[in-house]
Amino acid sequence: KNEVEQSPQNLTAQEGEFITINCSYSVGISALHWLQQHPGGGIVSLFMLSSGKKKHGRLIATINIQEKHSSLHITASHPRDSAVYICAVGSGGGADGLTFGKGTHLIIQP
Amino acid sequence: AAGVIQSPRHLIKEKRETATLKCYPIPRHDTVYWYQQGPGQDPQFLISFYEKMQSDKGSIPDRFSAQQFSDYHSELNMSSLELGDSALYFCASSPSGYEQYFGPGTRLTVT
Repeated sequence: KNEVEQSPQNLTAQEGEFITINCSYSVGISALHWLQQHPGGGIVSLFMLSSGKKKHGRLIATINIQEKHSSLHITASHPRDSAVYICAVGSGGGADGLTFGKGTHLIIQP
Repeated sequence: AAGVIQSPRHLIKEKRETATLKCYPIPRHDTVYWYQQGPGQDPQFLISFYEKMQSDKGSIPDRFSAQQFSDYHSELNMSSLELGDSALYFCASSPSGYEQYFGPGTRLTVT
């Protein structure tokens, strides 16, 4: 079973700061997902990565397959970015379920 | 754009009752996944279906069963409900595996 570790668990920052959330996993994967969840709310898929780097607006996700590590960056952070960010990995075929990290609780203060 | 639909959005049941949760995937998505997220917990994978056949099985209790129908919607049936089954149940769908699109979840409360 894949072990997914995220750091930090909690992060409070000021508006405008550059944010980095890290994710490490223990065994090889087919894909890594970054997800966003607001309190009491549903899950939104931000990125799915199997290699390299992806960018969407102020969000950037990178993955290093050899080091089994991924990072999620938020540039020019804003209070509306406050949420839980979850790293999840798929290790098998496409229909296999994801294994989730415990999430990073991010608070951006104005 | 169409999203994953789950119904009901909220459900309150008593212990030992049964519950049925429904998931309607995005059109032309053939794979459905079910996840359970307990209060303050990370989501746990329950079960998945591809082309109406069970594909992968996670930590789904024996009291739960699920199936995917010919129109690709899926239902999660939960019997002999326990207080510990209170959770947010997410469904996700995928057009080909790998990229998963999540529904808004069904919040089940067992009293």
